[in-house]
Amino acid sequence: GQQLNQSPQSMFIQEGEDVSMNCTSSSIFNTWLWYKQDPGEGPVLLIALYKAGELTSNGRLTAQFGITRKDSFLNISASIPSDVGIYFCAGPNYGGATNKLIFGTGTLLAVQP
Amino acid sequence: EAGVTQSPTHLIKTRGQQATLRCSPISGHTSVYWYQQALGLGLQFLLWYDEGEERNRGNFPPRFSGRQFPNYSSELNVNALELEDSALYLCASSLVPGTQKQETQYFGPGTRLLVL
Repeated sequence: GQQLNQSPQSMFIQEGEDVSMNCTSSSIFNTWLWYKQDPGEGPVLLIALYKAGELTSNGRLTAQFGITRKDSFLNISASIPSDVGIYFCAGPNYGGATNKLIFGTGTLLAVQP
Repeated sequence: EAGVTQSPTHLIKTRGQQATLRCSPISGHTSVYWYQQALGLGLQFLLWYDEGEERNRGNFPPRFSGRQFPNYSSELNVNALELEDSALYLCASSLVPGTQKQETQYFGPGTRLLVL
């Protein structure tokens, strides 16, 4: 089945640093979604990408839909303490009657003030 | 506009009991999805409901079931609870399946189920 490999697993950075994380798939996705999850909360949608090559920003966050349709990148610039959380990439599996999201394993981000 | 809401926020049950979790989608959304997030196992797809019908289910036993009501809210029922059912159960909703943007899923805060 489809799998999403997300890296790095965790990052420990200083406030103000830039962050990059990526997600790769064993098969093609038509949509890439990036979510952030705070402890004990549900994932919050950060950025949605719908077209290969698309580059989309949301404040300090920028994400790109890879040309091959098998990868995506999320960058956070000038990190701040409230960026702490787990970041997940996700792609929808629309095969057949399925409408489920396949999630990456997550990247834990810790920001030291 | 209110987001996806779930109740209760926390639920404590003992092994063998039944648990009922509830979800209200974003207004205008007709599709509801359930996911299980167990510690160390990531988010796993459970069920998808659209227009009152179960459209698909993930790789979970039949004791995980649910339904969707005419107002598009949904219930997840877990029968004969086992210790490993302890997890955060997340509900998501989307518009009518169609275009990519319509199918983007928005999550609720989750219900944390603890089975003792």
